[in-house]
Amino acid sequence: DGGITQSPKYLFRKEGQNVTLSCEQNLNHDAMYWYRQDPGQGLRLIYYSQIVNDFQKGDIAEGYSVSREKKESFPLTVTSAQKNPTAFYLCASSIRDARTGYTFGSGTRLTVV
Amino acid sequence: AQRVTQPEKLLSVFKGAPVELKCNYSYSGSPELFWYVQYSRQRLQLLLRHISRESIKGFTADLNKGETSFHLKKPFAQEEDSAMYYCALSGGSNYKLTFGKGTLLTVNP
Repeated sequence: DGGITQSPKYLFRKEGQNVTLSCEQNLNHDAMYWYRQDPGQGLRLIYYSQIVNDFQKGDIAEGYSVSREKKESFPLTVTSAQKNPTAFYLCASSIRDARTGYTFGSGTRLTVV
Repeated sequence: AQRVTQPEKLLSVFKGAPVELKCNYSYSGSPELFWYVQYSRQRLQLLLRHISRESIKGFTADLNKGETSFHLKKPFAQEEDSAMYYCALSGGSNYKLTFGKGTLLTVNP
């Protein structure tokens, strides 16, 4: 059963701590993306990766980091430098580029306490 | 720079009424436009893209380059159409989608 899996579904973090959100896909998609979804803000792009071992900053990359060591995996680390990390995070993938359409994960809700 | 504007945060219609969700874009080149939908407790999913010129679940959208718009329309709304709708744009050689802020559609019985 192909798809994108994000884990965990809910995550709580203390201020000052880094946390890593997992995103795995078995669709054999080349490109992967991380978006942040806030009420009234829509989806804003954090990072994206077109191929393994390569990634680019999106519109709101500050305070985040990623890696793409395997085609299937694109983890996102929310660092302590991110000023407002409480949000809903969405991972997506596409066959080649965005024009083929995204497949989205179910999201991770991060709350900083 | 590319931008997508959805002027309505909320849209409420009655079942059987026509519905139009507005989307305007700003992009200097030839854009590719999409509509994504998120039903309650479901994942965000692709509804339709302008390049396919298709009708999905009775929805259509026409790209109007003169007005830089890609409005989503359905002649007779159904209660199951209630969802959050996002318009998105892909432009240039980059691989990313730029999304609007979304419109929450409520279809009342």
